[in-house]
Amino acid sequence: GEDVEQSLFLSVREGDSSVINCTYTDSSSTYLYWYKQEPGAGLQLLTYIFSNMDMKQDQRLTVLLNKKDKHLSLRIADTQTGDSAIYFCAELPYNNNDMRFGAGTRLTVKP
Amino acid sequence: EAGVVQSPRYKIIEKKQPVAFWCNPISGHNTLYWYLQNLGQGPELLIRYENEEAVDDSQLPKDRFSAERLKGVDSTLKIQPAELGDSAVYLCASSPNSGTGGGELFFGEGSRLTVL
Repeated sequence: GEDVEQSLFLSVREGDSSVINCTYTDSSSTYLYWYKQEPGAGLQLLTYIFSNMDMKQDQRLTVLLNKKDKHLSLRIADTQTGDSAIYFCAELPYNNNDMRFGAGTRLTVKP
Repeated sequence: EAGVVQSPRYKIIEKKQPVAFWCNPISGHNTLYWYLQNLGQGPELLIRYENEEAVDDSQLPKDRFSAERLKGVDSTLKIQPAELGDSAVYLCASSPNSGTGGGELFFGEGSRLTVL
């Protein structure tokens, strides 16, 4: 099984906010990432957060980190149809270069 | 600047046949990764190279899988013989550093293998 867990599906209407949640298990993880994968493509880094931060905002994206609960979330404001994709949460444990990915959350944006 | 280039994009073979995938990382990226992505799952690391040295191959099934990065630039991943369960997408990624310090991994589009 995977150490990083995500819900598999999320469906929202265009213009609404999307919130994708993730839990991880390694408390030593120094960096946590959100990647986006569109059909037939590789993964593209959206944003990452250092473990000593609890929030990071980048345009429509807001990442929240709760280290105590090992919970990471990605909020997409004003979700567009082009945001439809699979979103992967990933952790990079301290002193270990094996980036571990969740199974991905498939976001569907309905017009 | 060109991204990570992988070939072939698609490969269909019969079981017990060999197959090879090629990856050309972004110029100047010392670290190269091969990941396996099964349908509906996230990528899982197979092997990581720092220049030409394989520094983490603990997840590579060495009885049938092999990889090389002879000159520290492009890399090949080989499966011989292929089994039905090897059907998956094989992703190559590169990074200018070892992935620590917030380093971003740049992924290729992947090679989709179907074993019949």
